[in-house]
Amino acid sequence: NAGVTQTPKFQVLKTGQSMTLQCAQDMNHNSMYWYRQDPGMGLRLIYYSASEGTTDKGEVPNGYNVSRLNKREFSLRLESAAPSQTSVYFCASSESPWGTQYFGPGTRLLVL
Amino acid sequence: QKEVEQNSGPLSVPEGAIASLNCTYSDRGSQSFFWYRQYSGKSPELIMFIYSNGDKEDGRFTAQLNKASQYVSLLIRDSQPSDSATYLCASNAGGTSYGKLTFGQGTILTVHP
Repeated sequence: NAGVTQTPKFQVLKTGQSMTLQCAQDMNHNSMYWYRQDPGMGLRLIYYSASEGTTDKGEVPNGYNVSRLNKREFSLRLESAAPSQTSVYFCASSESPWGTQYFGPGTRLLVL
Repeated sequence: QKEVEQNSGPLSVPEGAIASLNCTYSDRGSQSFFWYRQYSGKSPELIMFIYSNGDKEDGRFTAQLNKASQYVSLLIRDSQPSDSATYLCASNAGGTSYGKLTFGQGTILTVHP
């Protein structure tokens, strides 16, 4: 039981490049989330998926898109990376939208 | 305006002391509250959650919730150096915003021997 897994662990992009961050959970959770964490800012919600087939914007969705591929997987796409998107990205999942969220190990992204 | 505010840190306490971490929230519709611990370079891990007014105890940790004052706290008794980490308070608004956790900026705790 791996919990929440994320790939890649670390990525360097040039401005304008695109990439997809992958997240998968094996806890049969219904809800999944993407956060970014910047120094002094805490965690901020980018997008979330309350259940398979639904997605909704969080606090900072601009510049990102998401896909809930199936119950297990929730990906985050940066279409045209900007230096302001340099951050640590965490995926999380929970059994229900009001349940405890469990976090993956994070992806460190550097945009030059 | 930040919806969840945590007491400014860093907080430094001696080993064996009680560490008190505080959090206030602005959304009266908030239903549930979570305390996460995050070690440097690691992901947040849940310590406790609390839904009802009053105290909730789990080992050395006690969470306190006062909805009238919109205040949540975490007490760590008999603090250990291994408790040194950043502590994140989060609220879940519920209703149409259910699932949207709002986090505070975190409080860095250092427990020195």
